[in-house]
Amino acid sequence: QVQLQESGPGLVKPSQTLSLTCTVSGGSISSGSYYWSWIRQPAGKGLEWIGRIYTSGSTNYNPSLKSRVTISVDTSKNQFSLKLSSVTAADTAVYYCARDGTRTGPFGAFDIWGQGTMVTVSS
Amino acid sequence: QSALTQPASVSGSPGQSITISCTGTSSDVGSYNLVSWYQQHPGKAPKLMIYEVSKRPSGVSNRFSGSKSGNTASLTISGLQAEDEADYYCCSYAGSSRVFGGGTKLTVL
Repeated sequence: QVQLQESGPGLVKPSQTLSLTCTVSGGSISSGSYYWSWIRQPAGKGLEWIGRIYTSGSTNYNPSLKSRVTISVDTSKNQFSLKLSSVTAADTAVYYCARDGTRTGPFGAFDIWGQGTMVTVSS
Repeated sequence: QSALTQPASVSGSPGQSITISCTGTSSDVGSYNLVSWYQQHPGKAPKLMIYEVSKRPSGVSNRFSGSKSGNTASLTISGLQAEDEADYYCCSYAGSSRVFGGGTKLTVL
């Protein structure tokens, strides 16, 4: 049973870089045909897709965040990571990592989610 | 890319059926049969309920069904139960990107 777990600082200062890691357990991040995505949710608001990575290292980002986002993968550690630079209070949110299906299914859907981690941007 | 449009809230009584709409554009919902729906209870991570417009993952009740017409997708929940009360989000494939709806709060009266 594949599980995802986010980790990282819960408090980040404005203008600094937010860094989070998602650890995949119960299976290899490289097995199957999946992308691995980051999604966030400000308190009381909706979900926003941030970006995704394939184990080959290929990435896609939300156009509205692209200039500030970097997603990377470390297959040896079964992890993928998010870096969001120049953060402001608007980046305060619960950040989720999720498995993103391809043609082998479920295509275009996030079938496994981490529990989420709250990140607050404040001085 | 703009968020997909969902009603802010819907409600229904136990046993009834409700439908939540999700309207996008010809660049997302209208172009791909890759709409998914998620259920989120307070303080919990979202759960996949429907993918590829109308497919249900293993373990999801057949009371949940999905459909699409043009740029609008819909989620129907039949035989409403108290535990269905939650927030529901649609999401569409948009090429190499993804776009979510703003979410709909379902209240079971």
